[in-house]
Amino acid sequence: QPVLTQPPSSSASPGESARLTCTLPSDINVGSYNIYWYQQKPGSPPRYLLYYYSDSDKGQGSGVPSRFSGSKDASANTGILLISGLQSEDEADYYCMIWPSNALGVFGGGTKLTVL
Amino acid sequence: QVQLQESGPGLVKPSQTLSLTCTVSGGSISSGGYYWSWIRQHPGKGLEWIGYIYYSGSTYYNPSLKSLVTISVDTSKNQFSLKLSSVTAADTAVYYCARGEYDYRTPHFDPWGQGTLVTVSS
Repeated sequence: QPVLTQPPSSSASPGESARLTCTLPSDINVGSYNIYWYQQKPGSPPRYLLYYYSDSDKGQGSGVPSRFSGSKDASANTGILLISGLQSEDEADYYCMIWPSNALGVFGGGTKLTVL
Repeated sequence: QVQLQESGPGLVKPSQTLSLTCTVSGGSISSGGYYWSWIRQHPGKGLEWIGYIYYSGSTYYNPSLKSLVTISVDTSKNQFSLKLSSVTAADTAVYYCARGEYDYRTPHFDPWGQGTLVTVSS
């Protein structure tokens, strides 16, 4: 199974922006896939945040603030979750996901975001 | 508002079959358009997609678990189920059910059940 690489941890201060990355293996082109992002707080199930394919093809989960946004860095073969205007409630684990095929969904290992 | 709730034994013996059910409320599995899914999370670890089923019965399983997993649907009860055979301690995890909804190419999971911890131990 492909491995999606996420930094284990990240931190930022309230009001700042956090940029969380999800790097795909070199044999999977980030440009060809929807990149999904989920947020999970301790003791709770994951929450769907958004998906990003391109600027003209993206979607936001119900009730998810617009300060959560997605993008891609093709040169780094990476999906990006940007959280602007960080709030203490954004402290959580964040998981990316792709579907290399309809019969295989793969999650990244997750990034623990600390809001200092 | 659709809600999902997992149920089943919290303790399973090694080599036995883990069986869980997800009850869907606030919407009908038979309405179509959604893929009813199972995902698990090992203690303190990340998420692993197990598989999903369409209301018609079509299934897709994670290749790493395919030989051990069966997902079925009971539209009359508005439930879908997971069976994982020959379990070992490595199958100890929180098991989530979730609704998969397609975004043109592939689905996202929303909503999720609260999850149920299944421990494999003698």
